[in-house]
Amino acid sequence: DAGVIQSPRHEVTEMGQEVTLRCKPISGHDYLFWYRQTMMRGLELLIYFNNNVPIDDSGMPEDRFSAKMPNASFSTLKIQPSEPRDSAVYFCASSLRFLGNSPLHFGNGTRLTVT
Amino acid sequence: AQSVTQLGSHVSVSEGALVLLRCNYSSSVPPYLFWYVQYPNQGLQLLLKYTSAATLVKGINGFEAEFKKSETSFHLTKPSAHMSDAAEYFCAVSESGGSYIPTFGRGTSLIVHP
Repeated sequence: DAGVIQSPRHEVTEMGQEVTLRCKPISGHDYLFWYRQTMMRGLELLIYFNNNVPIDDSGMPEDRFSAKMPNASFSTLKIQPSEPRDSAVYFCASSLRFLGNSPLHFGNGTRLTVT
Repeated sequence: AQSVTQLGSHVSVSEGALVLLRCNYSSSVPPYLFWYVQYPNQGLQLLLKYTSAATLVKGINGFEAEFKKSETSFHLTKPSAHMSDAAEYFCAVSESGGSYIPTFGRGTSLIVHP
């Protein structure tokens, strides 16, 4: 299995631009999570999906952030407009039939820099 | 509600020395506990997990952790550190019968000196 695949690995953009991060979860996994990692705040859960349906988006920082999962093999996290404080590493993770004891499988992340 | 506290944002050891990374949790129900490792420029990878079977859990790369209910702890140990163990380590807890969504600690950076 190729694991969770995220693209791009690095993204540098100017303030005000739209940014789209992409994720392909492991085939057959029912749950998909988007996390943000910063030195200041650590690892933050932004949103998670179950069977392509958003379950909890309470971690999404503001309306500039949106996430979609149009099918079981693809999800996007969009920031529009982007701001310098959005600079972070964004991780996607997936899990099989998450019952609390199932581990999360993380992608290698997208490092976003907003100038 | 569940929470995780990792004591020490940085731990420094010499190669060959004992590694001890501390994790204390709070949970209102029996927890599931995890340790993940993050190498530079990579995502988190599962090291080991506790799911109410044996209290001493063995993971990959020679790491193990012991669940101590009375101390609400799940400390990670390795008898002899290797240079390749240098990484960020995260403890996580999820509640059985709850939302199952794990809560992660802030992480501990392990530094290994030659």
